[in-house]
Amino acid sequence: GENVEQHPSTLSVQEGDSAVIKCTYSDSASNYFPWYKQELGKRPQLIIDIRSNVGEKKDQRIAVTLNKTAKHFSLHITETQPEDSAVYFCAGLYSGAGSYQLTFGKGTKLSVIP
Amino acid sequence: NAGVTQTPKFRVLKTGQSMTLLCAQDMNHEYMYWYRQDPGMGLRLIHYSVGEGTTAKGEVPDGYNVSRLKKQNFLLGLESAAPSQTSVYFCASSSGGGSVHLHFGNGTRLTVT
Repeated sequence: GENVEQHPSTLSVQEGDSAVIKCTYSDSASNYFPWYKQELGKRPQLIIDIRSNVGEKKDQRIAVTLNKTAKHFSLHITETQPEDSAVYFCAGLYSGAGSYQLTFGKGTKLSVIP
Repeated sequence: NAGVTQTPKFRVLKTGQSMTLLCAQDMNHEYMYWYRQDPGMGLRLIHYSVGEGTTAKGEVPDGYNVSRLKKQNFLLGLESAAPSQTSVYFCASSSGGGSVHLHFGNGTRLTVT
């Protein structure tokens, strides 16, 4: 199965600065890498994802980059705002026996300091 | 359109008691999943289902059983609860067919004393 490692576990940035969270994966056959955001006491929600045939994807202030050779992908948040404070989870897709299982990293708690 | 609904929201059990967590989705999704979330451990897959009548083990299946008798429902059972099963449980669903966008429920906080 897939193993996903995520760093750092906590990250504090000043409002307006950029934040970068990195993940590595083990299964070279993995082809889908989403990022979920979980606000305190809430459910995780998908914020952006990338497939292995793309190197970078942007959506307003967030972007994800993928390096298949090195087997790592990163979340970039620019111009951070207090509402970006949350726990962010990366994930990698493991597919076997006709099913799809997402294996999550352990999360990064992002704090944006006003 | 409620999405994914979990019941109950909170539960306290004594060691050895049993209970069932219910997950219901109204999006006609094929795939359903049960995850547990513990501090510093992320989301770990317990069991999942790729369609009505099917179930499969995930990363941490021991001590849990599941059933998917109807497409819209996915039940998670604890036959003999243990303190190690104290956690927040999330159900999720996805449409399948190449889509792995998980739609999560609001979670069930379970405490086993």
